[in-house]
Amino acid sequence: AQSVSQHNHHVILSEAASLELGCNYSYGGTVNLFWYVQYPGQHLQLLLKYFSGDPLVKGIKGFEAEFIKSKFSFNLRKPSVQWSDTAEYFCAFGATNKLIFGTGTLLAVQP
Amino acid sequence: GAGVSQSPSNKVTEKGKDVELRCDPISGHTALYWYRQSLGQGLEFLIYFQGNSAPDKSGLPSDRFSAERTGGSVSTLTIQRTQQEDSAVYLCASSLAVGQGYEQYFGPGTRLTVT
Repeated sequence: AQSVSQHNHHVILSEAASLELGCNYSYGGTVNLFWYVQYPGQHLQLLLKYFSGDPLVKGIKGFEAEFIKSKFSFNLRKPSVQWSDTAEYFCAFGATNKLIFGTGTLLAVQP
Repeated sequence: GAGVSQSPSNKVTEKGKDVELRCDPISGHTALYWYRQSLGQGLEFLIYFQGNSAPDKSGLPSDRFSAERTGGSVSTLTIQRTQQEDSAVYLCASSLAVGQGYEQYFGPGTRLTVT
């Protein structure tokens, strides 16, 4: 069965630190992968997506993610986080008729 | 343009009562999805609509849950005889069409509390 796992449940960083959030999926075929973010009190919004082509994808607000097929991974990165990046981050796999989400990673950035 | 809207934003109900949750998708989006976000369960898929048709209802947790969509637009999710375990945030999303490559746009959700 298709699934997504996020191993970091809660991450605390200081401003300017680098960020990497792990995401692994299980599926052997063509994949469409997404990272969504939910800021406090706001709704889910798309950070970035991978469908095909360049495995390094750039998203909004300086985020990027790298698709590594051999590792079944799609990790999210940001070189220098800001306090405003405090949010919950969800990795998702695009199945035919739905998104399959990971359990989410709560990121707290301390000023 | 306008995004996905949901109403009510919050709903508190007594165990055993029925509730209706509403979703207004982005205009022109033919696909509509319902998800549930609860503590410890993450985001789970409930049902999707292609137009007014729901081809796969297997994600609905029990037969107390039902959903419909009319006019290819508004959708309602109905929970009958609510139980405490139904407490969660119910999210609606829409996309241009059904398929892996279409981005889903999410609404703000309805927070349901069953007392």
